[in-house]
Amino acid sequence: DIQMTQSPSSLSASVGDRVTITCQASYDIRNYLSWFQRKPGKAPKLLIYDASHLVTGVPSRFSGSGSGTDFTFTISSLQPEDIATYYCQQYHSLPITFGQGTRLEIK
Amino acid sequence: QAQLVQSGAELKKPGASVKVSCKASGYTFINFAMHWVRQAPGQRLEWMGWIKAGNGDREYSQKFQGRVTITRDTPANTAYMELSNLGSEDTAMYFCARVWEATYLPDIWGQGTMVIVSS
Repeated sequence: DIQMTQSPSSLSASVGDRVTITCQASYDIRNYLSWFQRKPGKAPKLLIYDASHLVTGVPSRFSGSGSGTDFTFTISSLQPEDIATYYCQQYHSLPITFGQGTRLEIK
Repeated sequence: QAQLVQSGAELKKPGASVKVSCKASGYTFINFAMHWVRQAPGQRLEWMGWIKAGNGDREYSQKFQGRVTITRDTPANTAYMELSNLGSEDTAMYFCARVWEATYLPDIWGQGTMVIVSS
């Protein structure tokens, strides 16, 4: 199975800050990486697919980059509604696997 | 818009089985596959298996092989995940997720179903 290592596990930042999360795959997954957001009581929401493609309707402050084994997710200017847990996920091969998640809090 | 609505929370005793449903709307059900994923408290999200809604082909994680059964009812636009011989370690939030065509990408998720296993 492909292991996904995501960091940090938690992050506290102020409104307007730039926030960066990293994800490393144990195997070359090309660009088969997504980022999604999870809020309590709500369905997880896909934000980015193919490492850097923003899902239609997702604010442009969200972005992703990387390929192969190293990936980055960025929120350019943190907003209060961005409080959530964020996950990376590889879909290069089955079983699909996930990072451990980054819990984002507002300072 | 595409949406997945899952059945409600379940409380089960050890050794019992649970069947979670996932009703799809807003898209052509048989054109997509469906993953099932779970997250136990303090644990990572883990893939349990998937089913191609069109032809019923399915594949399971080795971890759950023999205990999980994923099915679908095409006229009802609904997928199901049944897990048998439950133990306390199966206490988790269970999710269905639509699979984007020709990939393994889960693009639309259900809201989750909490299953608690307790005597």
